[in-house]
Amino acid sequence: DTGVSQDPRHKITKRGQNVTFRCDPISEHNRLYWYRQTLGQGPEFLTYFQNEAQLEKSRLLSDRFSAERPKGSFSTLEIQRTEQGDSAMYLCASSPDGGGYGYTFGSGTRLTVV
Amino acid sequence: GESVGLHLPTLSVQEGDNSIINCAYSNSASDYFIWYKQESGKGPQFIIDIRSNMDKRQGQRVTVLLNKTVKHLSLQIAATQPGDSAVYFCAESGKGYQKVTFGIGTKLQVIP
Repeated sequence: DTGVSQDPRHKITKRGQNVTFRCDPISEHNRLYWYRQTLGQGPEFLTYFQNEAQLEKSRLLSDRFSAERPKGSFSTLEIQRTEQGDSAMYLCASSPDGGGYGYTFGSGTRLTVV
Repeated sequence: GESVGLHLPTLSVQEGDNSIINCAYSNSASDYFIWYKQESGKGPQFIIDIRSNMDKRQGQRVTVLLNKTVKHLSLQIAATQPGDSAVYFCAESGKGYQKVTFGIGTKLQVIP
């Protein structure tokens, strides 16, 4: 296992289009998180899964955003009707119960909405 | 909402010297305080954390100090190396270590 994998690394899309990102966590990790990071800022929490259950969603996650983790393994984040303000780095992280040293981030998907 | 923040946006340090990065936080209910390192094009990398009932924790070349009285957190890096150049974020989490709230970040530049 080489860590948290995210696909694609980069995505350029036209305003109004839908996009979907995938995250493959570290296999033994029960928890999976999505964050968004804009230039010069720290990552902002979007949502969190414990196995397949989505336990918390940020107010940042508007109705256009949806995340799933259907079998408690990989997760997808979909953005519908993208807006220029959605341009950001979308980071996925996973951790075992208890977090700490095992709280591992992927390298992110860079979204540019033109 | 409550957040963590940093005093200095950029810190330049001579190679071999010690670095100290400071952070102020506002959430008294935080249970864990964490330092992350982020290099260009990569996700944040865990460095060290400290639980709210501790005031000091040491790792390899790093020490985190927590002063709950003044709500201050610091990261000390001993014998700073060029590979330490990155953006450093302080962050906090509640009980259960689930959602992590990040501060703005400090860019550390190591001068050879």
